[in-house]
Amino acid sequence: EAQVTQNPRYLITVTGKKLTVTCSQNMNHEYMSWYRQDPGLGLRQIYYSMNVEVTDKGDVPEGYKVSRKEKRNFPLILESPSPNQTSLYFCASRHRSYNEQFFGPGTRLTVL
Amino acid sequence: TQLLEQSPQFLSIQEGENLTVYCNSSSVFSSLQWYRQEPGEGPVLLVTVVTGGEVKKLKRLTFQFGDARKDSSLHITAAQPGDTGLYLCAGVRGSTLGRLYFGRGTQLTVWP
Repeated sequence: EAQVTQNPRYLITVTGKKLTVTCSQNMNHEYMSWYRQDPGLGLRQIYYSMNVEVTDKGDVPEGYKVSRKEKRNFPLILESPSPNQTSLYFCASRHRSYNEQFFGPGTRLTVL
Repeated sequence: TQLLEQSPQFLSIQEGENLTVYCNSSSVFSSLQWYRQEPGEGPVLLVTVVTGGEVKKLKRLTFQFGDARKDSSLHITAAQPGDTGLYLCAGVRGSTLGRLYFGRGTQLTVWP
């Protein structure tokens, strides 16, 4: 089944404790992105990648890191999480020739 | 500032009514997409419009792309409770292929 998977689905952590949210897609898509979704603010792009080793900042990159060492994986790293990073995070992927983005199921992160 | 302004933010109607959701911008987009998101899930693509003035129909949903490619609308005829969800518009600007700009969404509730 074609899909985007994210882990974990739910995470509660404390300020300053480094964490990684994994994202994997099995559709051989070139483009991958991370978004955060907050009430009243909609979906905002954090980082995106157009291919292996090619990443660029979105609208809200501060406090986040990404890497794209393999085509299928695009982990999101929070080196020192803070409470304002409490949010619902989505990973997405798409083929370079088509506009449709496929979203993962989301990761709900709470930083205390 | 939000590149895509969606209105209304909330819409609560009775089954059988018609409704229109608007997505406006001062910027030109190479394409606009409409997604629907249900609680606990990622957004799912409904349609992509590419050509100025284009109209696409998906059963009771009609999507239109403005002539100048700066705005779009979603019209639902005879809404049903199953249409309840968060509707999001998203745009691609010509030179930034990896970037997808989302509106803040319209939360639609259709009562039986």
